[in-house]
Amino acid sequence: EVQLVQSGPEVKKPGESLTISCKASGYRFTSYWIGWVRQVPGQGLEWMGVINPTDSDTRYSPSFQGQVTVSADRSFSSASLQWSSLKASDTAMYYCARLMYFYGSVDYWGQGTLVTVSS
Amino acid sequence: NFMLTQPHSVSESPGKTVTISCTRSSGYIASNYVHWYQQRPGSSPTTVIYEDNQRPSGVPDRFSGSIDSSSNSASLTISGLKTEDEADYYCQSYDNYYRVFGGGTKLTVL
Repeated sequence: EVQLVQSGPEVKKPGESLTISCKASGYRFTSYWIGWVRQVPGQGLEWMGVINPTDSDTRYSPSFQGQVTVSADRSFSSASLQWSSLKASDTAMYYCARLMYFYGSVDYWGQGTLVTVSS
Repeated sequence: NFMLTQPHSVSESPGKTVTISCTRSSGYIASNYVHWYQQRPGSSPTTVIYEDNQRPSGVPDRFSGSIDSSSNSASLTISGLKTEDEADYYCQSYDNYYRVFGGGTKLTVL
């Protein structure tokens, strides 16, 4: 059974760093791109970036380029999303998602990680 | 870059049919696949249609997708509405490494 299990909720202060994770199981991790999607409370879905776990080829959406870092660790079948300096506007639910192929639909979603940034 | 525009909300009665549109602002809708996701309150999204009109296994055939080049739009149609269909629905497409979601449509089944 394919599963994407994300790390738990986080409460951080502005300026702090953070890494959240997405652990994949039930399939060959390097066979599918992984993406990250943001959802601000009460708002819609936004693509942040995608990564090929085989070679860590990463593509960011323009709005998120330079704001976050997406990475993957093949040995742990895990993808990560990292911030070096959080802002209050980063408060959101973050989903990892497995893509059928590079431009393909998502076929599996993680359960989401809620990040709250507040002083 | 382009945008995908969806109606903010639609409502219909159980048993009826509803269609949600998704209009592409620039570029041709038929040039790149459109995918549709359902998100119930408090849950992760799930895929209901991929590649314009394909249903994942487990999605009932009450859900269908189509493309209309004349209006440069995609549509998600749900027939035989059930209360469990009440959710937010998002279309999604792409172009030149750029992936876009529509703003989402809240479906109320009343």
